[in-house]
Amino acid sequence: EVQLVESGGTLVQPGGSLRLSCAVSGFTFSNFGMSWVRQAPGKGLEWVSAIGGGGGYTFYADSVQGRFTISRDNSKNTLYLQMNSLRVEDTAVYYCAKDTKAIGGHEFDFWGQGALVTVSS
Amino acid sequence: EIVMTQSPATLSVSPGERVTLSCRASQSVTNMFAWYQQKPGQAPRLLIYDASTRATGFPDRFSGSGSGTEFTLTISSLQSEDFAVYYCQQYYDWPLTFGGGTKVEIK
Repeated sequence: EVQLVESGGTLVQPGGSLRLSCAVSGFTFSNFGMSWVRQAPGKGLEWVSAIGGGGGYTFYADSVQGRFTISRDNSKNTLYLQMNSLRVEDTAVYYCAKDTKAIGGHEFDFWGQGALVTVSS
Repeated sequence: EIVMTQSPATLSVSPGERVTLSCRASQSVTNMFAWYQQKPGQAPRLLIYDASTRATGFPDRFSGSGSGTEFTLTISSLQSEDFAVYYCQQYYDWPLTFGGGTKVEIK
């Protein structure tokens, strides 16, 4: 059974930093690209960042470019999102999502339950 | 950036009715297009990919069609468990983008 479990969501002040983790099981992690997708309270879905199965390429939304860093540890079956210089508008539930292809940038066939990040003073 | 526009924003429907949701892309995405279903408090679930292929676990009352810039999701006979928000997504180009969603609610 495929499982994705996010952790690390919390309340953080504007300008602060946070690292989210997504522990996966049930599939060969290194064979698939992964993404982070966020959803602000009461709003729609926004893709944030993607990484290839081998970690060799990464992509970012303009809204987080230069502030967020996606990475993965295939030996630990874990995906990460390092978030720096957080803004109030980064407040959202952050989902990790499994891509259907190794290179990423496709549809997402499995999602985690989400981690709530609240940026507020 | 490819902008995805969904219509309508909200659809009030009675159980058993046929439902058609639309999504338009600001430029062609060929068939690199997906639909997701999201229920309150839950993560999205992949419903349709490659514009018309139904994902595992969804019954055949759900169907997707279209290519290029115009796409449609049809639910042939709405069941109580189908009331949810539906999102479209293109994966033709970076950044990956989603539509704003269509909420299907009980009439």
